Amino acid sequence: QQQVKQSPQSLIVQKGGISIINCAYENTAFDYFPWYQQFPGKGPALLIAIRPDVSEKKEGRFTISFNKSAKQFSLHIMDSQPGDSATYFCAASSGNEKLTFGTGTRLTIIP
Amino acid sequence: DAGVIQSPRHEVTEMGQEVTLRCKPISGHDYLFWYRQTMMRGLELLIYFNNNVPIDDSGMPEDRFSAKMPNASFSTLKIQPSEPRDSAVYFCASSSWGRITGELFFGEGSRLTVL
Repeated sequence: QQQVKQSPQSLIVQKGGISIINCAYENTAFDYFPWYQQFPGKGPALLIAIRPDVSEKKEGRFTISFNKSAKQFSLHIMDSQPGDSATYFCAASSGNEKLTFGTGTRLTIIP
Repeated sequence: DAGVIQSPRHEVTEMGQEVTLRCKPISGHDYLFWYRQTMMRGLELLIYFNNNVPIDDSGMPEDRFSAKMPNASFSTLKIQPSEPRDSAVYFCASSSWGRITGELFFGEGSRLTVL
């Protein structure tokens, strides 16, 4: 019930392409869905977050798409750049409860 | 603000030794979290505190693990005795849930290697 399933485990995208990472959840009480970005040797850092009252949120090249009925949300990175190479974690929480993280996606952007 | 500060950044020890990891959260944050990251299991929440009180330690793997938060600016995670399977990166994070975003601020981690 508390799981957040993330896919793919790893992803290789050509520079300038679109990177797409997907997450699915079961707990319908979840009401906060952040994405964290982690560079090697660093801790994760908040990238972008969405609440279920909207279906999409965009910040620069990063977009979260949210499908409440399917209980799925995804991260899209437009015009992917080598500097976007990192591990991405989706997460979810409800109310004032702790975050549940996905298992992570290692993204590599190749020239 | 300096962010969440963890020490040591790297620790190499031998099986059976005691390991103590330290964390200084961001001033004013009232939640502190300890996570463990491995390739196999990703990010696992071990324990979290609210106002220095442990709230949920269900993620602590065994009695060999213990965590304390004696005051609002310091926390420790102790492993005694350590085992090779404890090798991982341990992250401390802090947050202030009074903020609607609920953002976690992570430290840079302590990489533990148990030989």
